[in-house]
Amino acid sequence: DAGVIQSPRHEVTEMGQEVTLRCKPISGHNSLFWYRQTMMRGLELLIYFNNNVPIDDSGMPEDRFSAKMPNASFSTLKIQPSEPRDSAVYFCASTRLGLYNEQFFGPGTRLTVL
Amino acid sequence: ELKVEQNPLFLSMQEGKNYTIYCNYSTTSDRLYWYRQDPGKSLESLFVLLSNGAVKQEGRLMASLDTKARLSTLHITAAVHDLSATYFCAVQSGGSRLTFGEGTQLTVNP
Repeated sequence: DAGVIQSPRHEVTEMGQEVTLRCKPISGHNSLFWYRQTMMRGLELLIYFNNNVPIDDSGMPEDRFSAKMPNASFSTLKIQPSEPRDSAVYFCASTRLGLYNEQFFGPGTRLTVL
Repeated sequence: ELKVEQNPLFLSMQEGKNYTIYCNYSTTSDRLYWYRQDPGKSLESLFVLLSNGAVKQEGRLMASLDTKARLSTLHITAAVHDLSATYFCAVQSGGSRLTFGEGTQLTVNP
Protein backbone atom coordinates (compact mmCIF):
# COMPACT_ATOMS: atom_id res chain seq x y z
CA ASP A 1 0.00 0.00 0.00
CA ALA A 2 1.35 3.43 -0.93
CA GLY A 3 0.15 5.13 2.23
CA VAL A 4 -1.27 8.63 2.34
CA ILE A 5 0.24 10.80 -0.38
CA GLN A 6 0.63 14.55 -0.03
CA SER A 7 1.91 17.15 -2.45
CA PRO A 8 3.83 19.30 -2.59
CA ARG A 9 6.23 18.26 0.18
CA HIS A 10 7.60 21.76 0.49
CA GLU A 11 6.06 25.06 -0.54
CA VAL A 12 7.55 28.52 -0.26
CA THR A 13 5.32 31.40 -1.26
CA GLU A 14 4.90 35.08 -0.70
CA MET A 15 2.26 36.67 1.44
CA GLY A 16 -0.97 37.18 -0.44
CA GLN A 17 -0.52 34.27 -2.80
CA GLU A 18 -2.91 31.34 -3.05
CA VAL A 19 -1.65 27.99 -1.80
CA THR A 20 -3.20 24.61 -2.57
CA LEU A 21 -2.19 21.48 -0.71
CA ARG A 22 -3.21 18.08 -2.02
CA CYS A 23 -3.87 14.72 -0.41
CA LYS A 24 -4.63 11.22 -1.65
CA PRO A 25 -5.86 8.96 1.17
CA ILE A 26 -5.17 5.26 1.48
CA SER A 27 -7.40 3.29 -0.86
CA GLY A 28 -10.48 1.99 0.94
CA HIS A 29 -10.33 4.57 3.70
CA ASN A 30 -13.50 6.63 4.09
CA SER A 31 -12.46 9.34 6.52
CA LEU A 32 -9.89 12.06 5.86
CA PHE A 33 -8.37 14.62 8.19
CA TRP A 34 -6.33 17.80 7.75
CA TYR A 35 -4.00 18.83 10.60
CA ARG A 36 -1.60 21.68 11.11
CA GLN A 37 1.51 21.42 13.29
CA THR A 38 3.46 24.35 14.70
CA MET A 39 5.85 24.72 17.61
CA MET A 40 3.54 27.18 19.32
CA ARG A 41 0.20 25.40 18.94
CA GLY A 42 1.19 21.78 18.51
CA LEU A 43 -0.95 19.50 16.35
CA GLU A 44 -4.36 20.93 15.52
CA LEU A 45 -7.23 19.36 13.61
CA LEU A 46 -8.46 21.73 10.91
CA ILE A 47 -11.25 19.75 9.27
CA TYR A 48 -12.32 16.20 8.62
CA PHE A 49 -14.50 14.41 6.09
CA ASN A 50 -16.48 11.18 6.32
CA ASN A 51 -17.42 9.64 2.98
CA ASN A 52 -16.34 12.86 1.23
CA VAL A 53 -18.68 15.01 3.35
CA PRO A 54 -17.19 17.66 5.68
CA ILE A 55 -18.17 16.76 9.23
CA ASP A 56 -16.30 19.19 11.45
CA ASP A 57 -14.55 22.32 10.22
CA SER A 58 -14.43 24.08 13.58
CA GLY A 59 -10.63 24.03 13.51
CA MET A 60 -10.34 26.00 10.29
CA PRO A 61 -8.75 29.24 11.49
CA GLU A 62 -10.63 31.68 9.26
CA ASP A 63 -12.33 32.17 5.95
CA ARG A 64 -9.02 32.24 4.15
CA PHE A 65 -8.89 28.48 4.59
CA SER A 66 -11.09 26.11 2.61
CA ALA A 67 -11.06 22.37 2.02
CA LYS A 68 -12.75 20.12 -0.49
CA MET A 69 -13.04 16.41 -1.11
CA PRO A 70 -14.57 15.94 -4.55
CA ASN A 71 -14.14 12.16 -4.46
CA ALA A 72 -12.92 9.36 -2.24
CA SER A 73 -9.35 9.55 -3.48
CA PHE A 74 -8.56 13.25 -3.44
CA SER A 75 -8.75 16.26 -1.14
CA THR A 76 -7.41 19.80 -1.23
CA LEU A 77 -6.72 22.42 1.41
CA LYS A 78 -6.54 25.93 0.04
CA ILE A 79 -5.30 29.11 1.68
CA GLN A 80 -6.18 32.35 -0.05
CA PRO A 81 -4.63 34.79 0.60
CA SER A 82 -1.74 33.28 2.53
CA GLU A 83 -0.08 35.04 5.47
CA PRO A 84 3.24 34.47 7.25
CA ARG A 85 1.42 33.08 10.30
CA ASP A 86 0.14 30.23 8.12
CA SER A 87 3.66 28.83 7.98
CA ALA A 88 3.49 25.32 9.42
CA VAL A 89 3.57 21.66 8.51
CA TYR A 90 0.22 20.48 7.19
CA PHE A 91 -0.59 16.80 7.55
CA CYS A 92 -3.30 14.79 5.92
CA ALA A 93 -4.44 11.55 7.57
CA SER A 94 -6.97 8.89 6.67
CA THR A 95 -8.75 5.98 8.30
CA ARG A 96 -11.35 3.34 7.62
CA LEU A 97 -14.18 4.00 10.05
CA GLY A 98 -14.84 1.06 12.32
CA LEU A 99 -13.66 -0.39 15.59
CA TYR A 100 -10.17 1.10 15.65
CA ASN A 101 -10.41 4.35 13.65
CA GLU A 102 -6.63 4.34 13.53
CA GLN A 103 -5.43 7.34 11.57
CA PHE A 104 -2.51 7.00 9.17
CA PHE A 105 -0.62 10.16 8.42
CA GLY A 106 0.92 11.38 5.21
CA PRO A 107 4.45 12.82 5.03
CA GLY A 108 3.22 16.38 5.40
CA THR A 109 3.65 19.61 3.46
CA ARG A 110 6.02 22.16 4.95
CA LEU A 111 4.61 25.58 4.06
CA THR A 112 6.62 28.76 4.39
CA VAL A 113 4.92 32.08 3.69
CA LEU A 114 7.36 34.96 3.34
CA GLU B 1 -13.74 20.88 25.65
CA LEU B 2 -11.49 17.84 25.81
CA LYS B 3 -8.01 18.49 27.17
CA VAL B 4 -5.15 16.03 26.82
CA GLU B 5 -2.07 16.53 28.95
CA GLN B 6 1.18 14.66 28.78
CA ASN B 7 4.03 14.61 31.21
CA PRO B 8 6.82 14.99 31.17
CA LEU B 9 7.14 17.17 28.08
CA PHE B 10 10.88 16.59 27.91
CA LEU B 11 12.63 13.43 29.01
CA SER B 12 16.32 12.71 28.86
CA MET B 13 17.30 9.24 29.90
CA GLN B 14 20.23 6.89 29.71
CA GLU B 15 20.32 3.77 27.66
CA GLY B 16 19.22 0.74 29.62
CA LYS B 17 16.95 2.66 31.98
CA ASN B 18 13.17 2.39 32.36
CA TYR B 19 10.72 5.26 32.34
CA THR B 20 7.02 6.07 31.96
CA ILE B 21 5.23 8.79 30.03
CA TYR B 22 1.79 9.79 31.32
CA CYS B 23 -1.24 10.96 29.38
CA ASN B 24 -4.24 12.41 31.22
CA TYR B 25 -7.46 13.45 29.53
CA SER B 26 -10.42 15.40 30.78
CA THR B 27 -13.57 13.72 29.41
CA THR B 28 -14.78 10.19 28.86
CA SER B 29 -13.40 8.41 25.85
CA ASP B 30 -13.01 4.78 24.89
CA ARG B 31 -10.24 5.10 22.34
CA LEU B 32 -6.73 6.28 22.98
CA TYR B 33 -3.80 6.31 20.57
CA TRP B 34 -0.05 6.62 20.85
CA TYR B 35 2.04 8.00 18.00
CA ARG B 36 5.73 8.48 17.43
CA GLN B 37 7.26 11.37 15.47
CA ASP B 38 10.92 11.58 14.46
CA PRO B 39 12.35 15.06 13.78
CA GLY B 40 11.15 16.42 10.46
CA LYS B 41 9.03 13.33 9.84
CA SER B 42 5.39 12.33 9.96
CA LEU B 43 3.49 10.59 12.76
CA GLU B 44 3.68 6.83 13.03
CA SER B 45 0.94 4.91 14.82
CA LEU B 46 2.21 2.82 17.73
CA PHE B 47 -0.81 1.63 19.69
CA VAL B 48 -4.59 1.75 19.71
CA LEU B 49 -6.16 1.18 23.13
CA LEU B 50 -9.87 0.49 23.09
CA SER B 51 -11.03 -0.44 26.55
CA ASN B 52 -10.37 -0.12 30.23
CA GLY B 53 -7.44 -2.23 31.30
CA ALA B 54 -6.14 -2.60 27.75
CA VAL B 55 -2.43 -3.29 27.56
CA LYS B 56 -0.37 -3.52 24.39
CA GLN B 57 3.33 -4.15 23.94
CA GLU B 58 5.69 -3.79 21.03
CA GLY B 59 9.37 -4.32 21.67
CA ARG B 60 10.54 -2.06 24.48
CA LEU B 61 7.30 -0.05 24.57
CA MET B 62 4.19 -0.97 26.52
CA ALA B 63 1.01 1.10 26.62
CA SER B 64 -1.91 0.80 29.02
CA LEU B 65 -5.26 2.47 29.50
CA ASP B 66 -7.31 3.18 32.64
CA THR B 67 -10.55 4.78 31.46
CA LYS B 68 -11.82 5.29 35.00
CA ALA B 69 -8.79 7.38 35.90
CA ARG B 70 -8.69 8.88 32.37
CA LEU B 71 -5.04 7.94 32.22
CA SER B 72 -2.81 6.16 29.78
CA THR B 73 0.84 5.29 30.26
CA LEU B 74 3.62 4.52 27.82
CA HIS B 75 6.33 2.54 29.55
CA ILE B 76 9.81 2.30 28.11
CA THR B 77 11.92 -0.67 29.14
CA ALA B 78 15.70 -0.70 28.82
CA ALA B 79 15.80 2.33 26.55
CA VAL B 80 17.98 2.39 23.46
CA HIS B 81 19.06 5.37 21.35
CA ASP B 82 16.68 4.40 18.52
CA LEU B 83 13.74 5.24 20.75
CA SER B 84 14.68 8.93 20.73
CA ALA B 85 11.65 10.73 19.25
CA THR B 86 8.58 12.71 20.25
CA TYR B 87 5.67 10.62 21.51
CA PHE B 88 2.09 11.83 21.32
CA CYS B 89 -1.02 10.47 22.89
CA ALA B 90 -4.37 11.27 21.27
CA VAL B 91 -7.90 10.78 22.50
CA GLN B 92 -10.96 10.27 20.33
CA SER B 93 -13.95 12.46 21.03
CA GLY B 94 -16.96 13.65 19.06
CA GLY B 95 -17.11 11.27 16.16
CA SER B 96 -13.73 10.30 14.78
CA ARG B 97 -12.02 13.52 15.85
CA LEU B 98 -8.70 13.15 17.71
CA THR B 99 -7.33 15.59 20.27
CA PHE B 100 -3.57 15.35 20.70
CA GLY B 101 -1.42 15.97 23.75
CA GLU B 102 1.53 18.33 23.57
CA GLY B 103 3.98 15.54 22.97
CA THR B 104 6.88 14.17 25.03
CA GLN B 105 10.30 14.71 23.53
CA LEU B 106 12.40 11.72 24.51
CA THR B 107 16.18 11.71 24.22
CA VAL B 108 18.06 8.51 25.02
CA ASN B 109 21.72 9.09 25.74
CA PRO B 110 24.43 6.45 25.45
